[in-house]
Amino acid sequence: QSALTQPRSVSGSPGQSVTISCTGASSDVGVYNYVSWYQQHPGRVPKVIIYDVSKRPSGVPDRFSGSKSGNTASLTISGLQAEDEADYYCCSYATMYTYVFGTGTKVTVL
Amino acid sequence: QVQLVQSGAEVKKPGASVKVSCKASGYAFTTYYMVWVRQAPGQGLEWMGTINPSNAGTSYSQKLHGRLTVTRDTSTSTVYMELSSLTSEDTAVYYCARSVENWFDPWGQGTLVTVSS
Repeated sequence: QSALTQPRSVSGSPGQSVTISCTGASSDVGVYNYVSWYQQHPGRVPKVIIYDVSKRPSGVPDRFSGSKSGNTASLTISGLQAEDEADYYCCSYATMYTYVFGTGTKVTVL
Repeated sequence: QVQLVQSGAEVKKPGASVKVSCKASGYAFTTYYMVWVRQAPGQGLEWMGTINPSNAGTSYSQKLHGRLTVTRDTSTSTVYMELSSLTSEDTAVYYCARSVENWFDPWGQGTLVTVSS
């Protein structure tokens, strides 16, 4: 199972929007609506910010949104804030209770 | 509150095995699957395996199949991850996480496993 492909880094100024892509295959992202996104600050435990492609857990700001088209899922951060600077990972279900993570994207707030 | 508490850091020699525990509290242990995820220094997240605490059924990463064993003890609400034939490439922080219908929350605090001669 190959890792999902994410850009290594994205950046934006405070208040801007950034989008992170997550490209998989027809055996994972393309067939299941079980894509989740995790935010990880340096030295911290990952935290879920999006699940089931576009749902937000309680307490996650609505500036985080998710979508999917074909084999590619996307995470958009609108109104970028300094505290959004972190690493972001997508994850997809890939049959029989197996999962695959993305390669990770570092978001830098300029 | 839902909490996962993992065992402490380990230092192992190449070729040895390591067993990490993850004790769950705050919810019905057998009603949620559990996953193990690892993160090598400066690297990304890697799913390792999944266990159904209700019947001990497991799914493993093809990469680790044959070296990884995930078990559970329902009497103590604890899940275990054992990895054998360790090499330096297994040096990583190992996390357990509760699987809530295919997304993971919460996560344990992580256990650093260092493989060094």
